[in-house]
Order: sequence, then C-alpha cells, then structure tokens
Amino acid sequence: SYELTQPPSVSVSPGQTATITCSGDALPKKFAYWYQQKSLQAPMVVIYEDNKRPSGIPERFSGSSSGTMATLTITGAQVEDEAEYFCYSTDVSGKDSVFGGGTKLTVL
Amino acid sequence: QVQLRESGPRLVKPSETLSLTCTASGDSINNYYWNWIRKSPGKGLEWLGFIHSSGVANYSPSLRSRLSMSADTSKNQVSLNLTSATVADTAVYYCARDHPTSGYFDHWGQGILVTVS
Repeated sequence: SYELTQPPSVSVSPGQTATITCSGDALPKKFAYWYQQKSLQAPMVVIYEDNKRPSGIPERFSGSSSGTMATLTITGAQVEDEAEYFCYSTDVSGKDSVFGGGTKLTVL
Repeated sequence: QVQLRESGPRLVKPSETLSLTCTASGDSINNYYWNWIRKSPGKGLEWLGFIHSSGVANYSPSLRSRLSMSADTSKNQVSLNLTSATVADTAVYYCARDHPTSGYFDHWGQGILVTVS
C-alpha cells in the first residue's frame, strides 16, 4: 500500500521557521494536504492542493511541493502552533488515500 | 455551517462488528463525499474510506475485506461497519466531509473513542 514519510519530530524556538517534509512516490502527480491536530481536538486543514491556505489560517503557514517531496513551512512559529502535523495524499490511481505518520512540532 | 456527530457503542468485544453513525446537521449530506478516519492510541491518522451520498464508496485496501459504509439521505446520516474487530481497531473514529471543490476535509466530527476489549 502507498506510504507517505514524515520526520517524527521537529523542534524550533518561537519566531524561528519550522519546516516539515513529506515524501511519497506519487507526489509529483498528486496534491498534498496538511492537517494540524492539537491534543484532544479534531484535525484541521492548514494547507490544501500543495500550497493553498484556507481562509482563517495565518499567513505564516505555507506549502510547496517539488518532485516526490511536499513541504509545510511555518515562518515565525508561535507557541500556539505546537501540534502534530500530518500530510495527506493519494496514490497514482487516486483510490488509496493515506496520511503520513505525523510530525510532532515543538515550539519552545 | 454543518455540524457532524459520531455515535455508537464505545465498547466492542473482539470478533464482533464495530458500527458507527455520523449524523449531519445544518446541511444535507446530499452530493458530498463523507470520509471515516481514525487515530489509534500513540499512532497517526488513518484514512478508512469514503461514502458518497449516492452510495458510491471506496475503502482503504488494508481494511477492504472488513469494512463497509452506507449513506441514509432520509436520516442525513452515514454509517460505518467494521467486522471482526480486534484490539488493533481501538481508536478515536472521526467522520469528515470533503470540501465540494478542493478535496480537503473541511468539516469534522468531534470524534468517538471506541475500545475493542
């Protein structure tokens, strides 16, 4: 089955830039989506279709995708951005959708 | 603004069927894709599959043999049935709606913890 690979953890100080990567063989052809999940809450999308930001998501969140890697960047990370981040995409057939393993972002 | 609420038994015995319902309020389930997603203790998110209001469904290959979903437009509900439950199916189960044009999950339920024991 299809897999997306993320680093388990990323740690930055407040105000620094946090970068979370997601690798998958189908990413050159399929969009990546990024979800933020804080403890005991339902996930929330922060980036869709590689680089689009839904209304209400701060501008410090941005996304990009190149080749087999998608990247979520938080420019000037805040303490409130501390959460687990999951990338999401589909295989080339579009039938198998998967989440990456998740990256725990620590901001302190 | 649509609101979603998952409901069902919170405790399931091994080998039995895990059955959940997601009830939508504030909008019709018609013409949308509805997904089930779970998060097991200490693990990441897992996409289980989707059901369209028309009845079209697609399931994760790893669960396809045990999973079924349905939609009841008269009750504004979608449902999930997972047969032969094991301890590994213990998780918080979420239903989530697809955004109509952009493919992301734009509305989520609060989730329901189901324990298989």
